[in-house]
Amino acid sequence: DGGITQSPKYLFRKEGQNVTLSCEQNLNHDAMYWYRQDPGQGLRLIYYSQIVNDFQKGDIAEGYSVSREKKESFPLTVTSAQKNPTAFYLCASSSIWDRANTEAFFGQGTRLTVV
Amino acid sequence: GQNIDQPTEMTATEGAIVQINCTYQTSGFNGLFWYQQHAGEAPTFLSYNVLDGLEEKGRFSSFLSRSKGYSYLLLKELQMKDSASYLCAVTTGGFKTIFGAGTRLFVKA
Repeated sequence: DGGITQSPKYLFRKEGQNVTLSCEQNLNHDAMYWYRQDPGQGLRLIYYSQIVNDFQKGDIAEGYSVSREKKESFPLTVTSAQKNPTAFYLCASSSIWDRANTEAFFGQGTRLTVV
Repeated sequence: GQNIDQPTEMTATEGAIVQINCTYQTSGFNGLFWYQQHAGEAPTFLSYNVLDGLEEKGRFSSFLSRSKGYSYLLLKELQMKDSASYLCAVTTGGFKTIFGAGTRLFVKA
C-alpha cells in the first residue's frame, strides 16, 4: 500500500540535544512538507521541498534543518537552537504535476516533548 | 504578507447544515483545499477547488471565488462524528502550501 510514514510517533528529548524526525513516502510524490502544530493551533510550515537536493524555508524555519537526498525521504532535524520545540510535527507529501490530484497526504505525526 | 482566515469555533446541531468560511490573501494561487482533523490525529483531505464554483462530494461541498479570495465548506446532515477541526489551505505560486488556523466544529445532539 502506498503511503507516508513518520517515525517515531512519540519522542522525548533533553534540552540542548538535536533530534531527527523521519519521514518516508512511497507515493512517488515530488513535493514534501514539514509542519508544526501547537495545541489548539493550525499548521505552520517549517520547510518544504519540490525536488531532490532542493528545499525552501517556510514561515518558522529557525532552529530546524532538513535534507532531501532521495525523493522518498525528507528528514527533519530539530536543533538545540529551537527554543520551544515541544509540539506535534506533521510531514506531508503531494504531487505537483498531476493537477487533478494535488492534495497533501499526511503522516501520522510525531509528538516531540522536551524534558 | 500571506494569510488565511477562518472562524475559530462553530457549534451546530446534529442533522443541520453548517457553513465554514475561509478568506485568503496569498502571492499566487494553485488551489484551495479543505482538510478535517480530529484531535491528536493527522489531517485528512476533504475537497479541492482550483476553479470558481461549487464542488460537491457527498455530504460535503466546497465553494471558491478566486476574485474575492473566498471559500466555504458546507457540511450537510451533520453527524456527531463531524465534530473536528476543519483546516483551509492554499497552495501558492511556487507550490508552497499554507494553512489557516482551523475552525473547531462542535456538533451537539
